[in-house]
Amino acid sequence: AQTVTQSQPEMSVQEAETVTLSCTYDTSENNYYLFWYKQPPSRQMILVIRQEAYKQQNATENRFSVNFQKAAKSFSLKISDSQLGDTAMYFCAFMKLREYGNKLVFGAGTILRVKS
Amino acid sequence: NAGVTQTPKFQVLKTGQSMTLQCAQDMNHEYMSWYRQDPGMGLRLIHYSVGAGITDQGEVPNGYNVSRSTTEDFPLRLLSAAPSQTSVYFCASSRRAGVTEAFFGQGTRLTVV
Repeated sequence: AQTVTQSQPEMSVQEAETVTLSCTYDTSENNYYLFWYKQPPSRQMILVIRQEAYKQQNATENRFSVNFQKAAKSFSLKISDSQLGDTAMYFCAFMKLREYGNKLVFGAGTILRVKS
Repeated sequence: NAGVTQTPKFQVLKTGQSMTLQCAQDMNHEYMSWYRQDPGMGLRLIHYSVGAGITDQGEVPNGYNVSRSTTEDFPLRLLSAAPSQTSVYFCASSRRAGVTEAFFGQGTRLTVV
């Protein structure tokens, strides 16, 4: 079974600064996907970024980028130029490649607070 | 485009009552699933479906039933609510195997007293 661990329950950052959220996972699979989801106070789940394990290049989406270390089973999220609207719960998630039912395994989440 | 619609958004139940959480999607997605979100535990899969008439259990299925009579709808039934089922429930859908983006509903906050 796959497990996802987010070791930082809460973090805070000053507006315009950079913050990194940590995620580690455990799997015996070689091909899989990793995701970061954002959940603002509205409760909506928003996909921030996706990484395919077979791609060595780290995924980037505007101010969001990941550091994917496959051998270490580590998948951290870097948010640059933090904005007040980045305040949210962030979940790291795992999915096996061609998973029957596209089932996601989530970490416990990290609450990020951006301060002005 | 409505996406994934969950109703109700909030619900309070008494222990032992039954209710159905509704989930509908208008994107013709094959896959639908139900998760519950609890503090310190993230989201955990309750049940999922890979098409009309096909459902299967996830990580925490006890106390919940599902059915999928149409592609669009995937209701979650609590037959006899317990305080341990107090949680936020999310319905999600995705197109098919290999298309990984999941679309989530707005969630239902359920309190069982």
